[in-house]
This record gives sequence, structure tokens and C-alpha cells, in this order.
Amino acid sequence: AQSVAQPEDQVNVAEGNPLTVKCTYSVSGNPYLFWYVQYPNRGLQFLLKYITGDNLVKGSYGFEAEFNKSQTSFHLKKPSALVSDSALYFCAVRALQTGANNLFFGTGTRLTVIP
Amino acid sequence: DTGVSQNPRHKITKRGQNVTFRCDPISEHNRLYWYRQTLGQGPEFLTYFQNEAQLEKSRLLSDRFSAERPKGSFSTLEIQRTEQGDSAMYLCASSLVPLTGVMDNSPLHFGNGTRLTVT
Repeated sequence: AQSVAQPEDQVNVAEGNPLTVKCTYSVSGNPYLFWYVQYPNRGLQFLLKYITGDNLVKGSYGFEAEFNKSQTSFHLKKPSALVSDSALYFCAVRALQTGANNLFFGTGTRLTVIP
Repeated sequence: DTGVSQNPRHKITKRGQNVTFRCDPISEHNRLYWYRQTLGQGPEFLTYFQNEAQLEKSRLLSDRFSAERPKGSFSTLEIQRTEQGDSAMYLCASSLVPLTGVMDNSPLHFGNGTRLTVT
């Protein structure tokens, strides 16, 4: 079975500091990995994805994520946090070998950037 | 690209009533997904369509839930005999997958959701 873990419900960071939002996954075979952001009363917005190739992927709004196969992790990072980055972040995985096309989401991490 | 549109934004209903939600995907997208999200949880997959064909259904989708996409464009999600446990945000998403049977690595484009409250 596939699963995604976001071990931190809440992450607080000062504006201008680097931020990391953690994600680990468990799937059979190779994963497709995604990060989405959700603002209040809104749907989810795509940030970035890892399919294959370079382990470091860059996405929208200056975010990037590093795929680490040995640690089965896909942590989201940004070098310098903005107050406007405050939102709910979801990691998601799609497992190629299952044949299923649905995305499986983690429980989310609330990021608060403190001015 | 006008985005994914969901109606209504909010629905309050009494237990036992039927409700229907509508989703209009991005016009050229051939895949349409329904998810449910409760407070403090990530979205949970319910079902998805490839054009008008419903290809996958979650075990979460009880027989009180039915979804259609009759012309491969908009979709409806109906819940019959609603229960308080059905209270949640129902999210629709769409994507464009170039080939049938190809594993979808396209990002999903989500609507703003329909918040259902069952009293």
C-alpha cells in the first residue's frame, strides 16, 4: 500500500530564513511525487513534481524539493521565506506499479512565516 | 484557462436529504477527479473519469455516492440519504493526459471545492 507521512503538523519560520517542510513516502516501485499548497477556502495549487531524472526539482514561487530514494523522502525547501508563503502544504504520491492513477496525499503541514 | 469551477461553494442540508454538486473542468482536460477533504486531513480520492468513462472508484465511495460525466465535460457528484459523516469539502480536479493508459504524471488542477454541512 502507498502512504505519505508529513511528520510536522506545524512549521514556524522567520521571514527571510530558509524553510523546510518534510515528507516521506512508502510505495511499491517508483513514485511520482508532488507538492501542493492550499490557501484558506481555496483548492490546492500545484507547486512542483518529481517524475524522474535530477533529484532536485524546482517549482513555483521559488520552491524546490529534493528526492532522496534511499531515505524515501521528498522535502520541500525555499532559501528565503516570505510571509505570503504561509499556507497549508501537502505532499502527494502516485505509485506507478499499482496501476492506480489517483494521487495519495499526506495530512498536510501548516507553514507560518513570522514577519 | 478559466480554471476548474465548482458549484455550489457551500451546501447545508439536513440528514437524509440528497445533494448534487457540479464540477466544470478546464475545457481541454480529459481526466476529472473527485476528492473529499475533512478538517486536518489531506484530500482523499473518491473517483476519476477519463473523458466520460469512470475508470476508478475508491472503497470510500459507498453506494450512496454516484458520479457522472455524461458528455466528457462537466461532472456531477450526488450523495443520497446524506449522513453527518458526509460533512466535508468536496474537491474536483482535472488534468490532461496525452495517451490512454499512460500513467498520469500531469499535475492536477483543483477547483475551490464545495463545502457540505449535514445537520
